[in-house]
Amino acid sequence: GENVEQHPSTLSVQEGDSAVIKCTYSDSASNYFPWYKQELGKRPQLIIDIRSNVGEKKDQRIAVTLNKTAKHFSLHITETQPEDSAVYFCAASKGDDKIIFGKGTRLHILP
Amino acid sequence: KAGVTQTPRYLIKTRGQQVTLSCSPISGHRSVSWYQQTPGQGLQFLFEYFSETQRNKGNFPGRFSGRQFSNSRSEMNVSTLELGDSALYLCASSYDFFNTGELFFGEGSRLTVL
Repeated sequence: GENVEQHPSTLSVQEGDSAVIKCTYSDSASNYFPWYKQELGKRPQLIIDIRSNVGEKKDQRIAVTLNKTAKHFSLHITETQPEDSAVYFCAASKGDDKIIFGKGTRLHILP
Repeated sequence: KAGVTQTPRYLIKTRGQQVTLSCSPISGHRSVSWYQQTPGQGLQFLFEYFSETQRNKGNFPGRFSGRQFSNSRSEMNVSTLELGDSALYLCASSYDFFNTGELFFGEGSRLTVL
């Protein structure tokens, strides 16, 4: 079945630096790749998503890239700020099937 | 627009008991999905309901079950509780299939099994 691997499990970056989180998926039929952010004690919320017909998508300081050939996608956060500290989850889905989440990356923004 | 509501927020059970959790989706959303969140395993998909039918199911034992009512509200049930069932159970609602857009999560029901 579909499997999504996410790395790293923990990431610490200095405030103002960039953070990159990477995910790989196993099912080449997957066509939708969302990223969710979960702050401590709160519910996960969608921050950005990308579909298989697009290679890159940006939204202010956040960007996601997709390499369908290699079956991996990445989240890029630039100019990190304290409020970026959270757990980030990637996911893969192919429509009328289950959605599979990665195990999460805990991002720490250091002052 | 009201968000996804889950009840109860916290509960404590003992091994062997059963538990029922409830989820009210955003108005107009027809899909409700359930997830188990634990520190080491992240978000694991349990099952998804659409128009009162289970449309997808994750890799959990039969002790985990659910249903959806005609008003789209959903319940999940765990029977014969085990210590390993201690987790945060999240439900999410969406308009349709997973790849059509955002999942809106509830705040979760935190289950502790003693």
